[in-house]
Amino acid sequence: DTEVTQTPKHLVMGMTNKKSLKCEQHMGHRAMYWYKQKAKKPPELMFVYSYEKLSINESVPSRFSPECPNSSLLNLHLHALQPEDSALYLCASSQADSPLHFGNGTRLTVT
Amino acid sequence: DQQVKQNSPSLSVQEGRISILNCDYTNSMFDYFLWYKKYPAEGPTFLISISSIKDKNEDGRFTVFLNKSAKHLSLHIVPSQPGDSAVYFCAASRRQTGNQFYFGTGTSLTVIP
Repeated sequence: DTEVTQTPKHLVMGMTNKKSLKCEQHMGHRAMYWYKQKAKKPPELMFVYSYEKLSINESVPSRFSPECPNSSLLNLHLHALQPEDSALYLCASSQADSPLHFGNGTRLTVT
Repeated sequence: DQQVKQNSPSLSVQEGRISILNCDYTNSMFDYFLWYKKYPAEGPTFLISISSIKDKNEDGRFTVFLNKSAKHLSLHIVPSQPGDSAVYFCAASRRQTGNQFYFGTGTSLTVIP
């Protein structure tokens, strides 16, 4: 069982929809991440939160909006996405100098 | 610009033999290296890591070797088992700058029974 829980596992949304991806960890990690992974590609970093503050934004379009309500939760709000945004969205957490722990991801399809 | 590269997209190995997966990096400032294993429909799972102050780290059947001068690391799995069939990603970071991990493109390992 993964210690990082992501919901939903699958999501289909239209280009005009607003939806949110959720991520939760209870390992006490103070850094949380969003990665995007397309087929046969490596995970690509989108955002990093450190101590609940956004520390890295890898020039992600504004149609993706991250939120960190507390140290255990991380959300990714989606609005007006494009079909090319269809991908596996992975949440991860880590403590200082420790490996990333990934969730199982949300498979997003934009129609 | 891909800072971490895995030049072999796939690898097939007989059960019981050694699997060797390779990874190259370009940024000499990287000082922390990791290997992840990924099954379909799951997130990557951490396998083993190595700090740049070492050149070898071993955990059971898994050993990671680091050659800093060549900017190369490798993962050895011995003996290989059918359950090891998965995609393996290497990753690297510079601890001083914190939380940016860069991933390679992955190698799909198939262990043939």
